[in-house]
Amino acid sequence: AQTVTQSQPEMSVQEAETVTLSCTYDTSESDYYLFWYKQPPSRQMILVIRQEAYKQQNATENRFSVNFQKAAKSFSLKISDSQLGDAAMYFCAYQGLTSGSRLTFGEGTQLTVNP
Amino acid sequence: EAGVAQSPRYKIIEKRQSVAFWCNPISGHATLYWYQQILGQGPKLLIQFQNNGVVDDSQLPKDRFSAERLKGVDSTLKIQPAKLEDSAVYLCASSFGFGTAIQETQYFGPGTRLLVL
Repeated sequence: AQTVTQSQPEMSVQEAETVTLSCTYDTSESDYYLFWYKQPPSRQMILVIRQEAYKQQNATENRFSVNFQKAAKSFSLKISDSQLGDAAMYFCAYQGLTSGSRLTFGEGTQLTVNP
Repeated sequence: EAGVAQSPRYKIIEKRQSVAFWCNPISGHATLYWYQQILGQGPKLLIQFQNNGVVDDSQLPKDRFSAERLKGVDSTLKIQPAKLEDSAVYLCASSFGFGTAIQETQYFGPGTRLLVL
């Protein structure tokens, strides 16, 4: 079974600074997708960024980028120029292509942005 | 484009009572998911529908939980009877399905917070 591990329960960053959230996963599949979702106090899950495992190029979305290391099974999220609105719980999620399309989530990292 | 709709947003019930949650996915999305998120944890899949057929219900506690998606659009999740450990946020998500990363990306509704006393 696939597992996703987020080893940082909490992180904090100063406004305008950069922060990196870690995620590792375990799978025997060769093709899969990886996602980062943001969950503010409202509890709605909001897609931040996605990465296809077959692509070597790291995905970027404005201030958000990932460092995808397939061999190491690592998928970290970098937030540049952090803003107060980035404060939320961040979940890393795995989606296999041979095991149905369910998302397997990590335990989450609570990000605090200090003014 | 309207997002995934869920109701009610909040529900408080006593244990052994029954409760139902409703979800309306994004228009055109064939795949619908129900997740359970217990406080302090990541969401866990309960059931996945492709149109009106069940694709995966391996983690659904079938002795008390049931779900249906009769016309391939709206879905209802029911708990009967509820237990204290069912207190959680129930998230509905939908996707186009059919393989590519963009098509498989799941979009979530606002969730229903359930408290069982």
